[in-house]
Amino acid sequence: TQLLEQSPQFLSIQEGENLTVYCNSSSVFSSLQWYRQEPGEGPVLLVTVVTGGEVKKLKRLTFQFGDARKDSSLHITAAQPGDTGLYLCAGRPPSNFGNEKLTFGTGTRLTIIP
Amino acid sequence: ETGVTQTPRHLVMGMTNKKSLKCEQHLGHNAMYWYKQSAKKPLELMFVYNFKEQTENNSVPSRFSPECPNSSHLFLHLHTLQPEDSALYLCASSQAVAGGVYEQYFGPGTRLTVT
Repeated sequence: TQLLEQSPQFLSIQEGENLTVYCNSSSVFSSLQWYRQEPGEGPVLLVTVVTGGEVKKLKRLTFQFGDARKDSSLHITAAQPGDTGLYLCAGRPPSNFGNEKLTFGTGTRLTIIP
Repeated sequence: ETGVTQTPRHLVMGMTNKKSLKCEQHLGHNAMYWYKQSAKKPLELMFVYNFKEQTENNSVPSRFSPECPNSSHLFLHLHTLQPEDSALYLCASSQAVAGGVYEQYFGPGTRLTVT
């Protein structure tokens, strides 16, 4: 069974600060996705990383896929209250074409204090 | 309507009731999913449908019964539920492409409370 552990589980910081959240596994994934979920809503896809070592930027958010494709990080610069939410990572196992399943992480609940 | 829609958004039902959750995707995808999201637990995959065929049943109790009449619609029929089944039920869809990256798009969810 593939597991994705996210850390920290909870994070509360002041507006304007920087932060990094982590998504770790002992298993290899062919791709990894990050989602943000707001209360009462479904997760919204932010980014997909595919290549080991890949870095993608989405405005103030920087996503990195580990070289061995077992872990990922999300760095937010100058956090804003709109960044508040539950951040989920999800990995796709290497070999299940035609029956796609994602393994979801445990989530990081982020609160940005104005 | 765009994306993935779910109805109802909120549902309260007794343990002896029968109800159904509905999901519709407007993205032209060929795979649909049901997930359960409980407090303090990761998202749990319940069912997967590829091209209307069920390809995954993740040891879900029989009191949950899925139905996929076509690639755009997905139902979850509920009967004789237990209080521990109270959760947010999420529907998602994706496009399966050979060698491609499967990105799942979620609906807003149905908040289910079993009394």
